Amino acid sequence: AQTVTQSQPEMSVQEAETVTLSCTYDTSESNYYLFWYKQPPSRQMILVIRQEAYKQQNATENRFSVNFQKAAKSFSLKISDSQLGDTAMYFCALVQGAQKLVFGQGTRLTINP
Amino acid sequence: DTGVSQNPRHKITKRGQNVTFRCDPISEHNRLYWYRQTLGQGPEFLTYFQNEAQLEKSRLLSDRFSAERPKGSFSTLEIQRTEQGDSAMYLCASSLDRGQETQYFGPGTRLLVL
Repeated sequence: AQTVTQSQPEMSVQEAETVTLSCTYDTSESNYYLFWYKQPPSRQMILVIRQEAYKQQNATENRFSVNFQKAAKSFSLKISDSQLGDTAMYFCALVQGAQKLVFGQGTRLTINP
Repeated sequence: DTGVSQNPRHKITKRGQNVTFRCDPISEHNRLYWYRQTLGQGPEFLTYFQNEAQLEKSRLLSDRFSAERPKGSFSTLEIQRTEQGDSAMYLCASSLDRGQETQYFGPGTRLLVL
């Protein structure tokens, strides 16, 4: 069975700071995808960044980057120059092929002015 | 807007009533997923379709739940004899075929069972 664990229920930083959200996972498969999704308060879930397990290079999307450590089964998200609009629940998720996403419990991130 | 859409956005019902939700995926996506999310938790998988075929159902999907995707386009999720424990956000997501595993989510339907 696949599992995803986010050990930080809540985090809070000041605007413009850098913050890192942690995620660990477990799977017996070698080919899978990892995602970070963002869910702002009362708004829909949107994709932040994705990582293919077969790629060694860490994915980057503007201010968002990941640190993918396959052997350690770790997949952290770094947000640089944080903005007020980054305030949201962040979910780490794992999928194999066209199957279901398995989500972590989420981290509530607050960016303070 | 060509994203995933869901209707209704909110539904309040009394225990024992039946409810039906609709999801319209992104037009070229042939995979469609349903998830349930309770307050403060990550979404949990319910079921998914490849075109009109329902390929997997979670154990969370009791006999009171049924999902269809009759023409491989929109999907409906029906809950019969609703219970207070069914109160949750029901999320729909869609994706392309293999090689594009990213799932795109709709805004969800928030169900409250009184």
